[in-house]
Amino acid sequence: EDQVTQSPEALRLQEGESSSLNCSYTVSGLRGLFWYRQDPGKGPEFLFTLYSAGEEKEKERLKATLTKKESFLHITAPKPEDSATYLCAVQGPYAGGTSYGKLTFGQGTILTVHP
Amino acid sequence: GAVVSQHPSRVICKSGTSVKIECRSLDFQATTMFWYRQFPKQSLMLMATSNEGSKATYEQGVEKDKFLINHASLTLSTLTVTSAHPEDSSFYICSAKQGTEQPQHFGDGTRLSIL
Repeated sequence: EDQVTQSPEALRLQEGESSSLNCSYTVSGLRGLFWYRQDPGKGPEFLFTLYSAGEEKEKERLKATLTKKESFLHITAPKPEDSATYLCAVQGPYAGGTSYGKLTFGQGTILTVHP
Repeated sequence: GAVVSQHPSRVICKSGTSVKIECRSLDFQATTMFWYRQFPKQSLMLMATSNEGSKATYEQGVEKDKFLINHASLTLSTLTVTSAHPEDSSFYICSAKQGTEQPQHFGDGTRLSIL
C-alpha cells in the first residue's frame, strides 16, 4: 500500500525566512510525485510533478526536489501570501483497468508566514 | 489552462434530501475524474474514480448506492448524495485529468451541510 508522510505538520516562518517541507513516501513503482497548494475553503492548486530521483522543478519562490524516498519543497524568502497548506501526493502504477492514476495524499503541512 | 469548475460551492439542506454536485473541465477533455471528501484539518480521502461512459470505481467503504456518480461526457461528472443525513456533511472536491501522465486538476469544492 502506498504511503505518504509529510513533516512538519505546521510551520511558522517570518517573512524572508527560508525553509523546507518534507514528504517521505513508499510506493511500488512511482509514476509521479505531485505537490499541491490548498487555501482554506478551496480545492488544491497544482504546483509540480516530479517523476525521477534527481529531478528538480522551480516556480517563483518554490523549488521541489525528489530522491528515491522523499521530496522536499524549498521555500526561499517566503511572503505572507505563501501561507497555505501544502500537500504532497504520489501516483503508483496502474492496476490493470481499475486504477486510473489515483493519488495517495499526505496529511499536508500548514505553512504560516508572518509579515 | 486546466480549469475545473465545481458547482454549487455551498449547499445547506434538510435531512433526507438528495443533492447533486457538478464537476466540469472547462478547457480540456477529462479522461478520468475523481471525487474526494475532506474532513476539517484532514487530507483528501478518495471516494471514487470515474471514466467517461463507464461505471465508477468506488474505494473500499464508500457506499455506491449512497454516492451516485455519473460521468456522462468528457467534460462533466456529477456526484449525487442520496437521502443525505447530517453525517454526510463534509467538503466534497472533484478533480479531472487528461491522459495518464497529466496531473489532476481540482475544483474549488462543495461545502455540504445537512440539517
